[in-house]
Amino acid sequence: DAKTTQPNSMESNEEEPVHLPCNHSTISGTDYIHWYRQLPSQGPEYVIHGLTSNVNNRMASLAIAEDRKSSTLILHRATLRDAAVYYCILRDRSADGLTFGKGTHLIIQP
Amino acid sequence: GAGVSQSPRYKVAKRGQDVALRCDPISGHVSLFWYQQALGQGPEFLTYFQNEAQLDKSGLPSDRFFAERPEGSVSTLKIQRTQQEDSAVYLCASSLVELSNTEAFFGQGTRLTVV
Repeated sequence: DAKTTQPNSMESNEEEPVHLPCNHSTISGTDYIHWYRQLPSQGPEYVIHGLTSNVNNRMASLAIAEDRKSSTLILHRATLRDAAVYYCILRDRSADGLTFGKGTHLIIQP
Repeated sequence: GAGVSQSPRYKVAKRGQDVALRCDPISGHVSLFWYQQALGQGPEFLTYFQNEAQLDKSGLPSDRFFAERPEGSVSTLKIQRTQQEDSAVYLCASSLVELSNTEAFFGQGTRLTVV
């Protein structure tokens, strides 16, 4: 799987939007962009994924750059329960498991 | 149950002891994955099953690690002669089909401590 780069940590205030960036300059045309998050003492949890177009679901939005070399996970209104490590992962059809990096540790201030 | 279930949640083993970790995936899920997560790190891939076939075991760190899924549902990860560096959280995940365009569901993990 191609490599992704994320900030080690980010801090935001409760009830404000959060934009989590991810760079993936070596992405290939068949790579899907997946986001997972991991709350303390829990297994990772799927958030969202996309290929080329922006995606929305009940948890978040995924904005994908036109050249696909970067993407942004958007939490529209952060709550304290959104405090977690967020992983941006590229997933090729031919690969098996997900390749996790170190992710971004999101801290939410009340 | 509705989700992926792992047991035990916690396991303390003496160095040299053999351990077996169980994963019950979501019913009907074809793909099953095992990951190892050290403290402060992201999960690292160990092995992958499609039904009962182990298609990739490239992430298993040594021949002391063995995984099976004999009937294509429940899976067991076995670690023989445990060592201190095996201390980690072991995560199991399953997905309905192959993974590129779908989501994986993770269990809560088994925390293994080797003393």
